Amino acid sequence: KQEVTQIPAALSVPEGENLVLNCSFTDSAIYNLQWFRQDPGKGLTSLLLIQSSQREQTSGRLNASLDKSSGRSTLYIAASQPGDSATYLCAVDGAGAGSYQLTFGKGTKLSVIP
Amino acid sequence: GAGVSQSPRYKVAKRGQDVALRCDPISGHVSLFWYQQALGQGPEFLTYFQNEAQLDKSGLPSDRFFAERPEGSVSTLKIQRTQQEDSAVYLCASSTRTANTEAFFGQGTRLTVV
Repeated sequence: KQEVTQIPAALSVPEGENLVLNCSFTDSAIYNLQWFRQDPGKGLTSLLLIQSSQREQTSGRLNASLDKSSGRSTLYIAASQPGDSATYLCAVDGAGAGSYQLTFGKGTKLSVIP
Repeated sequence: GAGVSQSPRYKVAKRGQDVALRCDPISGHVSLFWYQQALGQGPEFLTYFQNEAQLDKSGLPSDRFFAERPEGSVSTLKIQRTQQEDSAVYLCASSTRTANTEAFFGQGTRLTVV
């Protein structure tokens, strides 16, 4: 059974700092890894999708890397802003035939202090 | 519509009451997923539809949970005889059929059983 772990569980940084969020997964047989943002009381907003054949994706100040063989991904946030405060979730989908469900970590709660 | 729409946004049910949660996916999206998110946890998979076919219901926690998507678009998650442990946010997501595509989530329905 796939398990996803995110470290740290919570992180507090001053505005302007660069930061790294970590995600690991136990079964490397995945199609995609997806990073999401969740604001309190809200749904999930997709940030980046990395296909299993890719090593990284970039969107603005966000960069996500994937090392499929070692079961690891990182989300790098440059020049953090208070508006980046949210919970960040990592998820991988199953490689089993016919099922594309996502398995999520518990998330990293980020607080960016002005 | 432009995104995944869920209703109601909030639902308070008395223990033992039946509830129905609605999901309207992105137009043309073949795949539809339901997830349950307990407080402080990542979302957990409940069930998966491809068009009107329910291909995977392995995550449904009990036979009190039932989901349908009769015409391959709107889906309803029904919970019978609600219990306090059913209190959670129920998230719906949709995606295109292929494996290497993003999942798009709705805002969720927060169910509180009292």
